[in-house]
Amino acid sequence: NAGVTQTPKFQVLKTGQSMTLQCAQDMNHNSMYWYRQDPGMGLRLIYYSASEGTTDKGEVPNGYNVSRLNKREFSLRLESAAPSQTSVYFCASSDGEDQPQHFGDGTRLSIL
Amino acid sequence: AQSVTQPDIHITVSEGASLELRCNYSYGATPYLFWYVQSPGQGLQLLLKYFSGDTLVQGIKGFEAEFKRSQSSFNLRKPSVHWSDAAEYFCAVGAGSNDYKLSFGAGTTVTVRA
Repeated sequence: NAGVTQTPKFQVLKTGQSMTLQCAQDMNHNSMYWYRQDPGMGLRLIYYSASEGTTDKGEVPNGYNVSRLNKREFSLRLESAAPSQTSVYFCASSDGEDQPQHFGDGTRLSIL
Repeated sequence: AQSVTQPDIHITVSEGASLELRCNYSYGATPYLFWYVQSPGQGLQLLLKYFSGDTLVQGIKGFEAEFKRSQSSFNLRKPSVHWSDAAEYFCAVGAGSNDYKLSFGAGTTVTVRA
């Protein structure tokens, strides 16, 4: 019962480097989400994919791109990393907009 | 757009005492409401949810929450806290109706003292 799996768990980048965070779910959920978590700010939605083949911006999309590769996988890309993107990134999935979201364990990303 | 406020940043409670975490939301219609718990270094785990119906909902780990429309609140309670309940708790609100976005509160950190 893996649920939502995120890779890598930790990463350190230099400013300007690119990076793709991977997320896969095995619950056959239609919807997937990427959040960032910063101290005192809760979770903020970066991008989401309501269903395979669609993606939409969330609250804080600038500096990120996403790809819904198939129903299972949803990746998040930082094209040119900036120190302001240092954060913990969470992927989640759900079976629709009115269903609970299931979260991965997060990727801790530091940008120097 | 919906929004969530968790007024308490940090709460300290003695083991065996009761716990109440406050959550206030802003949304025009009846929202979908959730409480999640996050242990250090972990992802978020769903404690309970409210969509409609009975305003008192039961969740896992002995938690319950009450939806009060008149107060725009969805407070989380536990009658007797265990040391393992030390964690960060997040309230979240969703609009449903083809709106996939969840808005999270800033979180409340709970410390349990022996």
